[in-house]
Amino acid sequence: QSVLTQPPSVSAAPGQKVTISCSGSSSNIGNNVVSWYQQLPGTAPKLLIYDNDKRPSEIPDRFSGSKSGTSATLAITGLQTGDEADYYCGTWDSSLSAVFGGGTKLSVL
Amino acid sequence: QLQLRESGPGLVKPSDTLSLTCIVSGGSMSRSFYYWGWIRQSPGKGLEWIGSSSSTGSAYYKPSLVNRVSISVDTSSNQFSLRLTSVTATDTAVYYCARLDGLFPPDSWGQGTLVIVSS
Repeated sequence: QSVLTQPPSVSAAPGQKVTISCSGSSSNIGNNVVSWYQQLPGTAPKLLIYDNDKRPSEIPDRFSGSKSGTSATLAITGLQTGDEADYYCGTWDSSLSAVFGGGTKLSVL
Repeated sequence: QLQLRESGPGLVKPSDTLSLTCIVSGGSMSRSFYYWGWIRQSPGKGLEWIGSSSSTGSAYYKPSLVNRVSISVDTSSNQFSLRLTSVTATDTAVYYCARLDGLFPPDSWGQGTLVIVSS
């Protein structure tokens, strides 16, 4: 049971937009910044979003993040088949540890 | 470009100690702002943060693992290590080493190494 809650799976057609939610509490998301990771099959996770809504320079602007209260959202526009991956949210927690969501599998139909 | 690479045994016996090393290249480990950590992923499961430590020895560990885990950083050798004692089959996972931007998030990851706990 993960501390942060994500939907197990989402799907959308190529070119469409999809959003992935991440729900936490005042102990974590409510008082800390959120980051998002993309894990392509058989590879290590890659940082997509940090500080709620910032992108590393190599990440295309099709990926965006937002946070409101104790929840965060990752949005992906202009979906491509290469975006099929597992996506994880993560943040720091008041227990002085980092926590991740259970992950969301994105299917591009 | 910072690169991290995990090394260590792929098979560990139950009740033994799991020891892994992460070799860092392409950058210095000396900046105390960064933390150096370990994250694991059990087969078919999600990410689990194990712990992280700065070069000055400030360390944080997952509460449920704190009695079994330690992370040490050796800036002179550009590497850091994970030690997990009294392992069981539930410790079977791909173990990733990572650099963390402050306490969080991990911004550079190793490729991961599979460790199986089995007799």
